[in-house]
Amino acid sequence: GESVGLHLPTLSVQEGDNSIINCAYSNSASDYFIWYKQESGKGPQFIIDIRSNMDKRQGQRVTVLLNKTVKHLSLQIAATQPGDSAVYFCAEARSGAGSYQLTFGKGTKLSVIP
Amino acid sequence: DAGVIQSPRHEVTEMGQEVTLRCKPISGHDYLFWYRQTMMRGLELLIYFNNNVPIDDSGMPEDRFSAKMPNASFSTLKIQPSEPRDSAVYFCASSLLTGRVREKLFFGSGTQLSVL
Repeated sequence: GESVGLHLPTLSVQEGDNSIINCAYSNSASDYFIWYKQESGKGPQFIIDIRSNMDKRQGQRVTVLLNKTVKHLSLQIAATQPGDSAVYFCAEARSGAGSYQLTFGKGTKLSVIP
Repeated sequence: DAGVIQSPRHEVTEMGQEVTLRCKPISGHDYLFWYRQTMMRGLELLIYFNNNVPIDDSGMPEDRFSAKMPNASFSTLKIQPSEPRDSAVYFCASSLLTGRVREKLFFGSGTQLSVL
């Protein structure tokens, strides 16, 4: 889920289990979505993106699902590893050469239990 | 490529002092962004450039903040005078307009600014 205040929502998972991180986006006009991973002391790192003409996209151990009807995005991480521990941000945008409109969510902290 | 390079990594200064943050984007990228991250407000876009030209600075909090991009490989974010509430992590990011998408950003490691 997304944070609504000072405290980030935290998801704790056992190493080897699958993780699902959810995100509700706000703008029905958004047509491009991105997941970023931010490890402690580092900048956000691109994980995977998806356009609004798709409802699922897979990468290496990660899958993003998009439900435009309810404006919901999720990131699934298969066989979660300790190195996956980080804060995960979803971001929404209206892509194109017009005004830049990338909006980041507040983030979800993933803690992997060895 | 070395990625987006920011300096310094950490900056501690006293209130009223001038602070200059530096960024070298990924070579060939035509967009450069400055973000600020705090626990309270998350990631906030301050300003972005396209081909070295500032496009939107509406996120710059006050006139104390200014940003320049004198060439395609260098940008600065300056705060003068600095205040304690400016304490945050400042990120620079760059991207390349590809397939009508320029939102796939590559971030630097950030500058942790502490204003005492």
